[in-house]
This record gives sequence, structure tokens and C-alpha cells, in this order.
Amino acid sequence: NAGVTQTPKFRVLKTGQSMTLLCAQDMNHEYMYWYRQDPGMGLRLIHYSVGEGTTAKGEVPDGYNVSRLKKQNFLLGLESAAPSQTSVYFCASSTLLPGLADFANTGELFFGEGSRLTVL
Amino acid sequence: SQQGEEDPQALSIQEGENATMNCSYKTSINNLQWYRQNSGRGLVHLILIRSNEREKHSGRLRVTLDTSKKSSSLLITASRAADTASYFCATDTGGGNKLTFGTGTQLKVEL
Repeated sequence: NAGVTQTPKFRVLKTGQSMTLLCAQDMNHEYMYWYRQDPGMGLRLIHYSVGEGTTAKGEVPDGYNVSRLKKQNFLLGLESAAPSQTSVYFCASSTLLPGLADFANTGELFFGEGSRLTVL
Repeated sequence: SQQGEEDPQALSIQEGENATMNCSYKTSINNLQWYRQNSGRGLVHLILIRSNEREKHSGRLRVTLDTSKKSSSLLITASRAADTASYFCATDTGGGNKLTFGTGTQLKVEL
């Protein structure tokens, strides 16, 4: 019962390098999200997807691109990494849009364990 | 700017005591959720309260919601060392498409 799996778990990049974070979920969830977590800032939404083939910008999308070619996968790309992108990245998925969540089918977000990225 | 702000930022209590965390938010919501994060791990959903509810219970957790004050509180009764974690409130925003998290309360329960 894997749930939400993120790879890699740790990565160190040099400024200007590119990389892709992979998020895979095995719960057949429609909705997927990428957040970043920085000390004192809580979690901030980068991009999200409301279904296969769709993506939308969140609160802090600059410097990131995403793709949802398959329902179970949500990729987060950094084309030219900057030190400001040093962070812990979390992927999450849900069965319902947050606004529709209720006690019967909570629509809660299921999170991966995080990917710690350092940009030197 | 953050939709949710938790208060206090950090809380240290003794095992057996109750822990209360507060969350304030800015815009109207359909529901508010609380999540827990153990150190170095992902977030885990604890409880959800809808905008037309005032109080909910789940085990040792009690959540209240005051939509007129745009605030919520999470009470953990009879705390245990295993409750040591960060706790975040989250509200649906962007027309309900997104979940926006607060800055979190770091709870430490000492033996």
C-alpha cells in the first residue's frame, strides 16, 4: 500500500542545473498538488492538477514547470535551479477538490514523504 | 500572504496536559482541515470541519470553528509524548480548488 511516492528523496544541485521530481500515487486520485515547505512559511502551493492532462498555477509557480501525462504521475521540473529553490517539496493527492470535502468522503490530501532539495 | 496563521508558533507542555492551538484565516471557506507533521515526514490528515459546523470530535481531538471570527481551534486532550509534532490548519481557497496551509504550531510534549 504505497500511497504517494516521491523520488528522489534528497538531491543537491548547482545553480543553473535542471532536474525533475516525480510523484506517483496508486489510489486513482483525480487531483494532485505540489507544495514547498520552508521554515516559518508553512506549505505553499506551487502547481496543481485537476485531472490527467491538466495543470494550474498555485501561489508560487515561478521557476517551476509541471506535467500530468498520466493520471497516477505528477512531475515537477526545475529548468534552471536557483538557491531560492532550496526547500522541501511535498506532493499530495486527493479524491475530491478541497471545497467539496465533507465528513462522508473527506477529500483529505494524502502526502508523500517529501523531497529535500539543496541548490548550491 | 498566508491564508492561515496558527497561534502559538510553538508550544511546550507536560504529558497529560491539554494542548490548544488556534488558527485564523482571511477569506470565506467551505471547510477547514487540520493536519499533523512529524519531524522529517509528510503531513497526515487529522480532522475536517465544515463551515456550517461549530464543533467536532475525534478521539482526543476537538475542533471548533467560528466563521464570524474566521478562526478555529484544535484541542488535544491528555497529551502524550507521541503527540510531539507540528500541526497545520488548512482551508479551501481558489473557489475550492486548492488547499492553503497556515504556518503551523510546533508542539512538544515532555515526559
